[in-house]
Amino acid sequence: GQNIDQPTEMTATEGAIVQINCTYQTSGFNGLFWYQQHAGEAPTFLSYNVLDGLEEKGRFSSFLSRSKGYSYLLLKELQMKDSASYLCAVSDSNYQLIWGAGTKLIIKP
Amino acid sequence: ETGVTQTPRHLVMGMTNKKSLKCEQHLGHNAMYWYKQSAKKPLELMFVYNFKEQTENNSVPSRFSPECPNSSHLFLHLHTLQPEDSALYLCASGSGGETDTQYFGPGTRLTVL
Repeated sequence: GQNIDQPTEMTATEGAIVQINCTYQTSGFNGLFWYQQHAGEAPTFLSYNVLDGLEEKGRFSSFLSRSKGYSYLLLKELQMKDSASYLCAVSDSNYQLIWGAGTKLIIKP
Repeated sequence: ETGVTQTPRHLVMGMTNKKSLKCEQHLGHNAMYWYKQSAKKPLELMFVYNFKEQTENNSVPSRFSPECPNSSHLFLHLHTLQPEDSALYLCASGSGGETDTQYFGPGTRLTVL
């Protein structure tokens, strides 16, 4: 079957760096998405990777290794407002999004 | 209004009630999606509409009935629900292309008593 794994919860300190990992096993691959979801709010699009390597977008970067079925989201200079759930999703061979359960990130002062 | 809106934001209903969830997108997109989000579980895709035509129904029970009258509006009609249907119901829209970035509404928090 198809599977996306990411840690359930992580804790980090304001101003620090945190890396949220995502591993996937899917039937085909047409790209990987990261979304941010604050409690009680809509998931919002952060990044899309389809080629191997690192994509940087301000304080957030996303990395992909297709051969390893692995991605990570890197958040730098953490702010309290970064406390949220981070969802990893893979587009499979049918361009269907397969979602992970999300990683709840807690930022402490 | 901009983006994707959903109403109501919260809904409590009994198992014998009939209610409808509404979604509207102001992004000019051609595809609209219904998802179910339960605590600590992955998003579950329920229905997909592309250019008003239903292209996906992921084995959703018939007590959930979608309707898409045009590419900007999407409804989810609910009847005879079960307590396990309590969840956050999210609507999303996208271009409908193959690598489609989806944009989500804030969701309707549904509680079935």
